[in-house]
Amino acid sequence: DTAVSQTPKYLVTQMGNDKSIKCEQNLGHDTMYWYKQDSKKFLKIMFSYNNKELIINETVPNRFSPKSPDKAHLNLHINSLELGDSAVYFCASNLLAGEQFFGPGTRLTVL
Amino acid sequence: KQEVTQIPAALSVPEGENLVLNCSFTDSAIYNLQWFRQDPGKGLTSLLLIQSSQREQTSGRLNASLDKSSGRSTLYIAASQPGDSATYLCAVPDNTDKLIFGTGTRLQVFP
Repeated sequence: DTAVSQTPKYLVTQMGNDKSIKCEQNLGHDTMYWYKQDSKKFLKIMFSYNNKELIINETVPNRFSPKSPDKAHLNLHINSLELGDSAVYFCASNLLAGEQFFGPGTRLTVL
Repeated sequence: KQEVTQIPAALSVPEGENLVLNCSFTDSAIYNLQWFRQDPGKGLTSLLLIQSSQREQTSGRLNASLDKSSGRSTLYIAASQPGDSATYLCAVPDNTDKLIFGTGTRLQVFP
């Protein structure tokens, strides 16, 4: 009955690989987000989707691409992984202007 | 550009103390403010959402206040317990609903 879930929880991979992180919410929310928490624990928005449309695209490299098959899912694809991509990635969701609920995070380590 | 600051960065108190965490933001044109808790290696747990029309919001031993005009919010924790030890984050949405996070206050409550 988890509200916002992410898979995998941990992801260890080599530089240059392509990987995906999945996110699902069962709250009936209409907006989903991806945030990145760096090594200094600072959280920053990456993307958000509202009704399957990208409404925010922060200055992240185009190696990162969000994909939303439906309103309950927002997956994050990362191509050509770099060392600097190592971080914890959080998915979140809300109804517009409402409280945001976060997933447990995916810790990505690029070797 | 909205900036969110939290003071203190770290706080260590004995069990039973009442304590106040501070959050300030530079742009007072917000419609809500959210307080989160993050345990080490875990995701974010929403504690309180306070709307711009409210001056305070309470949940158990937690009380959050909001003074939009001065760009400040406080989180009051009554009768602190070791289980309250965590990092506390405040966040405000910008006009596209993305959250701008503060740098957090790392709280340790010792027995």
